[in-house]
Amino acid sequence: KAGVTQTPRYLIKTRGQQVTLSCSPISGHRSVSWYQQTPGQGLQFLFEYFSETQRNKGNFPGRFSGRQFSNSRSEMNVSTLELGDSALYLCASSLVGTNYNEQFFGPGTRLTVL
Amino acid sequence: QKEVEQNSGPLSVPEGAIASLNCTYSDRGSQSFFWYRQYSGKSPELIMFIYSNGDKEDGRFTAQLNKASQYVSLLIRDSQPSDSATYLCAVNGGQAGTALIFGKGTTLSVSS
Repeated sequence: KAGVTQTPRYLIKTRGQQVTLSCSPISGHRSVSWYQQTPGQGLQFLFEYFSETQRNKGNFPGRFSGRQFSNSRSEMNVSTLELGDSALYLCASSLVGTNYNEQFFGPGTRLTVL
Repeated sequence: QKEVEQNSGPLSVPEGAIASLNCTYSDRGSQSFFWYRQYSGKSPELIMFIYSNGDKEDGRFTAQLNKASQYVSLLIRDSQPSDSATYLCAVNGGQAGTALIFGKGTTLSVSS
């Protein structure tokens, strides 16, 4: 079974631009969560989508948004990029999306903001 | 503020020894607990999960959970150099859904 895929793997943008990242979950998985990983803050939860609805949201500004499509693929968007948005963005999928489901991470998208 | 605390390390053990990694969490409503391994430059890989008090064993790994003490640990027996990585403890946020709160990780170094 193919794992979680994320595209692109690397991105370089400049301040003020916007960016869209894509995530395809494991086949059959319906929940997709997004996380930001930085050396200083570690792994932080951004939001979770289940059945095309945002079910949970972390403590990030409104510049961070996402959506999920009917095939469970998900995208996240960051508008008006800031230097501090440079990070590894990780997508994780789980089967149903209850408290007990294990989450499996994709390889991540490394975003650098100049 | 829900928090998960881990010693950052590094934790250094010789090959063949037992490595013990610890984690405490603040939210008593947490229901599920996960250990991820992350090699440098890679994404986290799920190695263990535990939901009930007590021990859960999987090969060389044992997860231990004590909800009364809000404490979860990971033991790695017969440590190998390939176990050298950062180990992340994650706790579900207690909300419906799968929001995980991560500790900052413990770096393990296994010397041959």
